[in-house]
Amino acid sequence: SQELEQSPQSLIVQEGKNLTINCTSSKTLYGLYWYKQKYGEGLIFLMMLQKGGEEKSHEKITAKLDEKKQQSSLHITASQPSHAGIYLCGAASSANSKLTFGKGITLSVRP
Amino acid sequence: DTAVSQTPKYLVTQMGNDKSIKCEQNLGHDTMYWYKQDSKKFLKIMFSYNNKELIINETVPNRFSPKSPDKAHLNLHINSLELGDSAVYFCASSHFGAYEQYFGPGTRLTVT
Repeated sequence: SQELEQSPQSLIVQEGKNLTINCTSSKTLYGLYWYKQKYGEGLIFLMMLQKGGEEKSHEKITAKLDEKKQQSSLHITASQPSHAGIYLCGAASSANSKLTFGKGITLSVRP
Repeated sequence: DTAVSQTPKYLVTQMGNDKSIKCEQNLGHDTMYWYKQDSKKFLKIMFSYNNKELIINETVPNRFSPKSPDKAHLNLHINSLELGDSAVYFCASSHFGAYEQYFGPGTRLTVT
């Protein structure tokens, strides 16, 4: 089955700093999905990447997909306390297959 | 307006009891899911229903029985609860084949 490894496991940054987190798949990616979870809440969909080299941005968050490396990175520019939470990547190995999630990366942003 | 709602939000019960968690979505989606998030925050899919039909059934004890009375509802019934069932259970929905899933707020189940 497909496994997703996220790194680092947790991250603490000072407000205003940039940061990058990664998600690596053990199998070929059909699609890569980034979600964010705040404590005590459900997951919120951030972005979907499907093509190699694809890059998407939403506000100060940019995600890229390296299809050859079976890896995606998520970059946050000028982090804010509102960015704090758990970032999970999800991936599908084929169309209509189940979505497998990584263990998540806990991000804390110090004011 | 809540898109995906779950009840109850918290559930504390004793081992051996039977309990149900309800989920409703008002997004017009045809696919709904149940996920389990353990204490290490690892999120794993349990079941998926499309138009009231079971399409994904992971290796879950048969004490767990999902029921979908209609496209907008997916309930989860758990028999003979065990300590290891303690977790947060999330309901989600999407259009069929889409991975942009909308999650409910979760139900924190504690089995004592």
